[in-house]
Amino acid sequence: QSALTQPASVSGSPGQSITISCTGSSNDVGRYNLVSWYQQCPGKAPKVMIYEATQRPSGVSNRFSGSKSGNTASLTISGLQAEDEADYYCCSYGGSDTFPYVFGSGTKVTVL
Amino acid sequence: EVQLVESGGGLIQPGGSLRLSCAASGFSVRSNYMSWVRQAPGKGLEWVSVFYSGGNTLYADSVKGRFTISRDNSKNTVYLQMISLRAEDTAVYYCARDLTSAWFFDYWGQGTLVTVSS
Repeated sequence: QSALTQPASVSGSPGQSITISCTGSSNDVGRYNLVSWYQQCPGKAPKVMIYEATQRPSGVSNRFSGSKSGNTASLTISGLQAEDEADYYCCSYGGSDTFPYVFGSGTKVTVL
Repeated sequence: EVQLVESGGGLIQPGGSLRLSCAASGFSVRSNYMSWVRQAPGKGLEWVSVFYSGGNTLYADSVKGRFTISRDNSKNTVYLQMISLRAEDTAVYYCARDLTSAWFFDYWGQGTLVTVSS
């Protein structure tokens, strides 16, 4: 199973909106609405920000939103803040009896 | 409060063996899908193995035949037995919970570092 494709880096100024893409295939992202997004700050464990492509866990800022179209999922961060600077990973369900969790390659978000 | 605490990491020579533990509290490991996810230094996340609530297990191709995931319900702990370790297994190993077919990880441990080097 190949990793999902994400841009290596995305940057934006405070207050701006940025979008991170996550491209898979018809076997994972395209087949299931089971894409999750994780924020990982340096030296810390990942934290879920979005699940089921568009759902936000309680406690996660509504500045984070997810969407999906075809084989590509996206994470948008609105009103960018300095604290959003981190690595972001997407993850898709890939089938329970084969490769259930397919991670993306990761995107470094820099707040200018 | 849900907590996952990993232990067992360390420095090990190539070809050696190590067993990682993930002690859970605040929920029952037997009722959830428990995974190990690793992250090599400076690299991305890689799913390694899962123990489904029903007892089935799965492995990434990169560790199949060398790693074994197990569960002790009485200790509410999940393990990862690793043998024939290679330099490329060097990583922080995280234990993570999937709330049974939710297909995302809602809780993660702090991770334990495994370094394979002579």
